[in-house]
Amino acid sequence: KQEVTQIPAALSVPEGENLVLNCSFTDSAIYNLQWFRQDPGKGLTSLLLIQSSQREQTSGRLNASLDKSSGRSTLYIAASQPGDSATYLCAVPPLYNTDKLIFGTGTRLQVFP
Amino acid sequence: DAGVIQSPRHEVTEMGQEVTLRCKPISGHDYLFWYRQTMMRGLELLIYFNNNVPIDDSGMPEDRFSAKMPNASFSTLKIQPSEPRDSAVYFCASRPSHPDTQYFGPGTRLTVL
Repeated sequence: KQEVTQIPAALSVPEGENLVLNCSFTDSAIYNLQWFRQDPGKGLTSLLLIQSSQREQTSGRLNASLDKSSGRSTLYIAASQPGDSATYLCAVPPLYNTDKLIFGTGTRLQVFP
Repeated sequence: DAGVIQSPRHEVTEMGQEVTLRCKPISGHDYLFWYRQTMMRGLELLIYFNNNVPIDDSGMPEDRFSAKMPNASFSTLKIQPSEPRDSAVYFCASRPSHPDTQYFGPGTRLTVL
């Protein structure tokens, strides 16, 4: 059974720092991996989707990498800003049903001025 | 596009009452998902539909929960009778056939007293 873990659970950094959020999954046979952002009291917003054949994806100050063999993905945020404060979740679909998503527990990020 | 619309945004009810949550997916999306989010269990998939047909309801916790999608633009999640442990935020999400990115609604915060 696929399990998705995110470390750290919470992170507080000063504005301007580059930071890395980690996502681990137990079954390396994945179809893709997705990163989402959730603001307090809001729904999830998709940030990046990495297909299993890709090693990384970039969007603005965000870069997500994927290492299937080690069961890990990282989300790199460059030059963090207070507006980046949110909870970040990664999710993978199980191979037996690629329509579903199994979510990690999330990393709560706070960027202070 | 208005995005995924959910109603109500907040619901407070007493144990034993029937609760109906509503969702309007993004027009043209073939898939609709219902999730539940709690502090203890994180984000869990309850059920999903493809072209209005329920595909996987293995996440529905009990027979007290039921979901319908009578047409492509409307879905309901019903809890009857409700219990305090059903208190959570319930999200609806939709996506097209391709790509796999899911679009989430703002959620319904349910409190059962």
